[in-house]
Amino acid sequence: KQEVTQIPAALSVPEGENLVLNCSFTDSAIYNLQWFRQDPGKGLTSLLLIQSSQREQTSGRLNASLDKSSGRSTLYIAASQPGDSATYLCAVREVYNTDKLIFGTGTRLQVFP
Amino acid sequence: NAGVTQTPKFQVLKTGQSMTLQCAQDMNHNSMYWYRQDPGMGLRLIYYSASEGTTDKGEVPNGYNVSRLNKREFSLRLESAAPSQTSVYFCASSRDGTGANVLTFGAGSRLTVL
Repeated sequence: KQEVTQIPAALSVPEGENLVLNCSFTDSAIYNLQWFRQDPGKGLTSLLLIQSSQREQTSGRLNASLDKSSGRSTLYIAASQPGDSATYLCAVREVYNTDKLIFGTGTRLQVFP
Repeated sequence: NAGVTQTPKFQVLKTGQSMTLQCAQDMNHNSMYWYRQDPGMGLRLIYYSASEGTTDKGEVPNGYNVSRLNKREFSLRLESAAPSQTSVYFCASSRDGTGANVLTFGAGSRLTVL
């Protein structure tokens, strides 16, 4: 059974730091992996989608990498800002059941001025 | 663009009561989903609908029923609410179920069962 783990569960950093959030999955047979952002009391916003054939995706200050063979993805946030404070979730879609996303429990990030 | 709209945003029920969570999307998406989010457990799929007229069970379907009323609307019904169903419920949609497309989520519905 696919399991998705995110470490750390919470992170508090000063503004300006470069950050790495980790996501690991137990079964490498994935179709793609998505990173989401969730603000308190709100829904999820998709940040980046990496297909299984890709190694990384970039959007602005965000860069997500995927190492399928080792079952890991990282989300890199450059020059963090207080507005980046949110919970970040990763989710994998399996090859043999592409209708279903399996989510990690998230990393709660706080960036203080 | 409204995207995915869920109603109600908040609801308090007593054990045994029934209710329906409504979801509508205006993006002409084929696939729609219902998730629940509980502390420490991430999001878990309850039911999904790959296309109009079809529904399938997800990871935690017990105690729930769904209806894909038309292409826009996908409702989730609790026939006899239990305290274990206290959660935040999210509806989501995607262009299709192939997995290549991102999911768009609603803002969530917070349900408390006393």
